Amino acid sequence: RKEVEQDPGPFNVPEGATVAFNCTYSNSASQSFFWYRQDCRKEPKLLMSVYSSGNEDGRFTAQLNRASQYISLLIRDSKLSDSATYLCVVIRSGGSYIPTFGRGTSLIVHP
Amino acid sequence: EPEVTQTPSHQVTQMGQEVILRCVPISNHLYFYWYRQILGQKVEFLVSFYNNEISEKSEIFDDQFSVERPDGSNFTLKIRSTKLEDSAMYFCASSVGGGAGQYFGPGTRLTVT
Repeated sequence: RKEVEQDPGPFNVPEGATVAFNCTYSNSASQSFFWYRQDCRKEPKLLMSVYSSGNEDGRFTAQLNRASQYISLLIRDSKLSDSATYLCVVIRSGGSYIPTFGRGTSLIVHP
Repeated sequence: EPEVTQTPSHQVTQMGQEVILRCVPISNHLYFYWYRQILGQKVEFLVSFYNNEISEKSEIFDDQFSVERPDGSNFTLKIRSTKLEDSAMYFCASSVGGGAGQYFGPGTRLTVT
């Protein structure tokens, strides 16, 4: 089983739709969780941290389920500008911090 | 807003040559990282650096690679004897803590011919 797995998509949704992505991780020692956004041929940009209690930033909501070892990202009222690849990042700690990226989920928002 | 910067934006080199990729992390960040992303593939962790020494490295980061913080601001990745398969985008990142969110530079596109 891969350490961090994501459905590559693409998710093709109309403007205004709600879309959700999941990411599963295999290592129970994982400690920190993040969602990044990456536009084509650009650097990953930190979107939000993910906590067990869930966190919300405007139209974006992230959730961590430690028991089932997955994290989720919900985007409400999708905009054309949300079109990008969404990367799940898991950092495990064994004394040091080792980050692992998922392959990303592609989102295309169309008019 | 502070940001991570990287130079050059694009480097073309011949197989067998050495290259040095440069990064200036965000000034109050303590952890520094190098990643690579081969076109169409996922972002791969190479190395992390903390307190002037390597903190973690992946199996990709073999003897061909080295990192250095030559002064208080720069963080460099040296690739010796480049191979065709080293062609990729190389990203530098920094964070305030080891488990904290990382901020990425715009990357250096390395092309080995």
